[in-house]
Formats: sequence, C-alpha cells, structure tokens
Amino acid sequence: GAGVSQTPSNKVTEKGKYVELRCDPISGHTALYWYRQSLGQGPEFLIYFQGTGAADDSGLPNDRFFAVRPEGSVSTLKIQRTERGDSAVYLCASSLTGTGNQPQHFGDGTRLSIL
Amino acid sequence: KNQVEQSPQSLIILEGKNCTLQCNYTVSPFSNLRWYKQDTGRGPVSLTIMTFSENTKSNGRYTATLDADTKQSSLHITASQLSDSASYICVVTPFSGGYNKLIFGAGTRLAVHP
Repeated sequence: GAGVSQTPSNKVTEKGKYVELRCDPISGHTALYWYRQSLGQGPEFLIYFQGTGAADDSGLPNDRFFAVRPEGSVSTLKIQRTERGDSAVYLCASSLTGTGNQPQHFGDGTRLSIL
Repeated sequence: KNQVEQSPQSLIILEGKNCTLQCNYTVSPFSNLRWYKQDTGRGPVSLTIMTFSENTKSNGRYTATLDADTKQSSLHITASQLSDSASYICVVTPFSGGYNKLIFGAGTRLAVHP
C-alpha cells in the first residue's frame, strides 16, 4: 500500500495476556519508529529501528515490551503480561532514512484496551 | 516540565475565520521543528517542517513561523474549514548528530463550527 499500515486497528484483551501489534512501513523506508499515545497527549517515543536493528530502544517502559524487525520491513511490537496502564494507542511511523528533514509518515495506530 | 508546550489546549472558531496556535519549546539545540495535524482516530500527518534557520513555511492555508531566539513557533490557519477540526501537534527534533528523535507537544484541539 501507499501508506503505513497497522494491524489490528483495535485490540481488547484481558490483563495478563500477551499481545502483538504489527506495522507495515512504506516500501523502501529504512527507518521505523514506534510511539505510544495516551488520550489528550502527544505521542511518546518507544523504539527506533534502522534497517533490522533497534538503534534506540530507550523509550520502552520496561522489559515487558519488545519489538522486532527481522527483515528490515515489517515490525512487531510485543507486550507480555499486559497491565491496564498499557491501554493506549500505539502508533508506528516510517521515514526514508532516520536523518535529515524528512517527514515521518504515521499509520493510524492500534488502539489497545486492557480490561 | 514538558520540553514542548502548546497553547491553547483547545479552541473553537467559526468556519471561515483565521486562527493562530502557539508552541513554546525548551529543546536546544534543535535540528527542525514540525507541525502535524491529527484527525480523531487517525495518525498524525505532516504539515510543515522548518530547520532552525528558517522563519516561515507555508502549506496551503497553513503557515508556520519560527523564532529560534525566543524558542517560539506558531501555526496560522487561514479561512478555516470544517475539515480543519483536528489536533495540531508541535514537534521538535533535538540536534544530536544522530537520527530524528521527535519530541511532541500535547497538541491543540481545534473545532471549527459552521
């Protein structure tokens, strides 16, 4: 597709469950970012991939959160032992490279609700 | 204290009117300042990107200004339309010599009424 695609668009699960959120970036974009957005707030950085490697994972809140991008394209954000505080919209963005004055193109996010 | 502060938090205007949204930041030095538009339930969409040396950048009815001395930016919307109803987010990229690690403001929620 032409834009960044995220699936599922909505995910409702029970506390303690494991979830996977998927991001398909724009073809050819080497840089991929994950953000978390709480209601009424701007997105907060989680992790940045350059190619297959996580170049900066300093925004991951704890070791329950993990993300991969094994082939340098699709990325999966994984959350173990989910907690109610994990409820938020998880946004993915990609850009051609990670530097310069390039826009980051965002997907529409996955709205995660932990019951 | 947030590194990127936006005001007002929310704003209601009538269709056809102009408005100006404000952004104050403390990030220094910085590489660029961006404005994004985010419709409800959608991801942010880039409106403008200005480097630290630019003073103004336009995109249709949207005009962003930047004063790096006072660390202020504004987004001016001309002849507003109902479709302008959205959150507008100011974003600053710190200068790190590395990648673009964006710092987002909380946004201004704009409602345009007929």
